[in-house]
Amino acid sequence: DAGVTQSPTHLIKTRGQQVTLRCSPKSGHDTVSWYQQALGQGPQFIFQYYEEEERQRGNFPDRFSGHQFPNYSSELNVNALLLGDSALYLCASSPTGGQPQHFGDGTRLSIL
Amino acid sequence: AQSVAQPEDQVNVAEGNPLTVKCTYSVSGNPYLFWYVQYPNRGLQFLLKYITGDNLVKGSYGFEAEFNKSQTSFHLKKPSALVSDSALYFCAVRPTGGGQNFVFGPGTRLSVLP
Repeated sequence: DAGVTQSPTHLIKTRGQQVTLRCSPKSGHDTVSWYQQALGQGPQFIFQYYEEEERQRGNFPDRFSGHQFPNYSSELNVNALLLGDSALYLCASSPTGGQPQHFGDGTRLSIL
Repeated sequence: AQSVAQPEDQVNVAEGNPLTVKCTYSVSGNPYLFWYVQYPNRGLQFLLKYITGDNLVKGSYGFEAEFNKSQTSFHLKKPSALVSDSALYFCAVRPTGGGQNFVFGPGTRLSVLP
């Protein structure tokens, strides 16, 4: 039973570019959340998707957007990249109303 | 607003000794509390959770945590530390009132010395 899988594992971009990160949830899970973990800090909630809609959003600008597909997989898009966007981006999935969230190994995004 | 504090950036303990990683929280209503562990270049692995019931919660790899409502604390404990327990530990609270997103603490780095 595969857990949460994320791709790519590493990514290098330059300022102003756009990036798309991908996540496949654990089997049986229909809710996907995205987190940003800056170096030396705890994860910060970006947003959560359920039934292909953004259900909840953290304190992140509109440059951060997402999508959920009918198979529950999800994408995180970041436009106009800034140096401060460099971080580990974590995807977590959970079943409807269930706990806990299961995390993938993340995508490490570096902005030059 | 909900928040989680982990007052110690670093905890050092000798192998075989008991360990405690501290966590306090601020949340309205009844909290859902979690502990996760993160190894280098990996995501977060679930250790244990408190939803309701017994204040002492047992989890994976011999870890346990004690929920103390009056002190708003949820400290992680293990009776006998292993070198392989060395990692970054995060306490998290799930705010009541909607959604399943977590608020994480800043993390505590545990080093178990042989």
